[in-house]
Amino acid sequence: NAGVTQTPKFRILKIGQSMTLQCAQDMNHNYMYWYRQDPGMGLKLIYYSVGAGITDKGEVPNGYNVSRSTTEDFPLRLELAAPSQTSVYFCASSYEGLNQPQHFGDGTRLSIL
Amino acid sequence: ELKVEQNPLFLSMQEGKNYTIYCNYSTTSDRLYWYRQDPGKSLESLFVLLSNGAVKQEGRLMASLDTKARLSTLHITAAVHDLSATYFCAVDGSGNTGKLIFGQGTTLQVKP
Repeated sequence: NAGVTQTPKFRILKIGQSMTLQCAQDMNHNYMYWYRQDPGMGLKLIYYSVGAGITDKGEVPNGYNVSRSTTEDFPLRLELAAPSQTSVYFCASSYEGLNQPQHFGDGTRLSIL
Repeated sequence: ELKVEQNPLFLSMQEGKNYTIYCNYSTTSDRLYWYRQDPGKSLESLFVLLSNGAVKQEGRLMASLDTKARLSTLHITAAVHDLSATYFCAVDGSGNTGKLIFGQGTTLQVKP
């Protein structure tokens, strides 16, 4: 099994550009999450989803959008990139929200210049 | 607002020594998670603690949870270099959806 796959691994954007970070999981997990990790810090939740068609905001949703049209995919969209969005983005999934650990992808390292 | 605080934030220790990392959180939660992150890598699940008094051990690491004190500990026994990493605790901030609030992380450096 591939687990949680994130693409791209690295990206440099100019201020004001848009892009979509892709996340796919093949474990049939219902719950999926997007986090950002700034240097030397813990992770902060951006958005999460408890199933196809259901999404909700986390701690730091401003500047981002998500959709969940299938169980497998949970893309994260940046509409107008800003330098403050330079970070490492992790996607995670779990079978259920509570009693199982979240499985993380390898991350996307995003720089906005 | 749920806050999760770890201490120390940085720990340098000699191989063979014991030490404890502390994770305090500010509101009631019965679930606490420990993760390990190697530099430039993703997060790996270490322990899921699901109730008051839960204790789990894997190799040289042992984690415990005291929900009344809102405290979890990660104890390292006879540290080895391979344990060098950053360790995060995370608490379920929602009660039902797995919305985790992470601590700042503790970077552990084990010297030969």
